[in-house]
Amino acid sequence: DAKTTQPPSMDCAEGRAANLPCNHSTISGNEYVYWYRQIHSQGPQYIIHGLKNNETNEMASLIITEDRKSSTLILPHATLRDTAVYYCIVRVGSGAGSYQLTFGKGTKLSVIP
Amino acid sequence: GAVVSQHPSWVICKSGTSVKIECRSLDFQATTMFWYRQFPKQSLMLMATSNEGSKATYEQGVEKDKFLINHASLTLSTLTVTSAHPEDSSFYICSATGLAGGTWGDEQFFGPGTRLTVL
Repeated sequence: DAKTTQPPSMDCAEGRAANLPCNHSTISGNEYVYWYRQIHSQGPQYIIHGLKNNETNEMASLIITEDRKSSTLILPHATLRDTAVYYCIVRVGSGAGSYQLTFGKGTKLSVIP
Repeated sequence: GAVVSQHPSWVICKSGTSVKIECRSLDFQATTMFWYRQFPKQSLMLMATSNEGSKATYEQGVEKDKFLINHASLTLSTLTVTSAHPEDSSFYICSATGLAGGTWGDEQFFGPGTRLTVL
């Protein structure tokens, strides 16, 4: 699976949009971009994933550049409960061995009142 | 999303004893379950992958005789830490993925984790 690069930490004011960047310049054509987050002392929580089109769900939006070498996770109105470590992961979406997730260091997002 | 539970949520044991951690998928059938370990201030590290009814596949550096994994049903996997030592103290997290094409596709859903402290 391709490797990702994320800033180690970010701050965001409560109520504002949080934009978390991720670089994945070596991503392959069949690799998806996944985002998970981990609140302190809890298991990771799935947020969203995409292949090449932008995606939106009730939690967040995922913007993937046209060349797919980077993406941005957007939390439209950050709350204090969104304080967590956010992991950007690329993986093959299907096929043998496709299910493994390799976690990097992620971005620690601190939402400030 | 689908729900995965772990039991116990925390455990303290004496050095040399064995500890069993259960991972259950509550509302879907998990064909594959994963076990991760996370040390303080570090990221999750995959320990092993288990498929229902077959032997687990361990990552390099993980002792299969020390970390026994059983995936006997589509809703339950267990991790037994045998002869635990203080260096085994960690946060153990399981995840499960459902049947491809099923309601939850091949997404991984994580349990809440089990904090093991070995004295």
